Amino acid sequence: SQELEQSPQSLIVQEGKNLTINCTSSKTLYGLYWYKQKYGEGLIFLMMLQKGGEEKSHEKITAKLDEKKQQSSLHITASQPSHAGIYLCGADITGTASKLTFGTGTRLQVTL
Amino acid sequence: GAVVSQHPSRVICKSGTSVKIECRSLDFQATTMFWYRQFPKQSLMLMATSNEGSKATYEQGVEKDKFLINHASLTLSTLTVTSAHPEDSSFYICSARRFGLAGDTNTGELFFGEGSRLTVL
Repeated sequence: SQELEQSPQSLIVQEGKNLTINCTSSKTLYGLYWYKQKYGEGLIFLMMLQKGGEEKSHEKITAKLDEKKQQSSLHITASQPSHAGIYLCGADITGTASKLTFGTGTRLQVTL
Repeated sequence: GAVVSQHPSRVICKSGTSVKIECRSLDFQATTMFWYRQFPKQSLMLMATSNEGSKATYEQGVEKDKFLINHASLTLSTLTVTSAHPEDSSFYICSARRFGLAGDTNTGELFFGEGSRLTVL
């Protein structure tokens, strides 16, 4: 079974709409990273969360880590075509602050 | 701008040949770098941890003789796919952690390279 579950697997939203992507683990998330990837390209770092209850925002993207540090959400407000891509959550579930375990990704399409 | 750079971004080779992929940290030193592999429409899977000045640590199921890793300097790690076969065709991505000024191992951001797409004919 996947150690890190991401949902939904794919998402199509109309431009201007809000959306949320979730990342859930059965293990404690010592560090949770959100990345964006365009198909066939590298990962773009979005945000890193470490503390339970932590919330960070950048432009129209907000990421949260729950108090139990087992679930994170990525929320995009007023989506734009530039938000389209694959969103991946990566987690440090070993506490080594090094290698990450990745979720399966969420493919986001934004329609006009 | 990019803080971790990979080269080449795309490579096509014949079956049986070897291919080297470079991963460089551009404005920081990285004693540890990580190599991931991504199959089409799938997530990233960690292959190995590259340690500067010592042997790499490979994940279970990854052939160390097949995927040679060298981390000769604090800013460069290389992955060589030896005797490549079509099933080795994949997207390979490296990452490195840039620590904060305090050197706290838990605050460094983990940056990824642009990836290298390998196609073995």
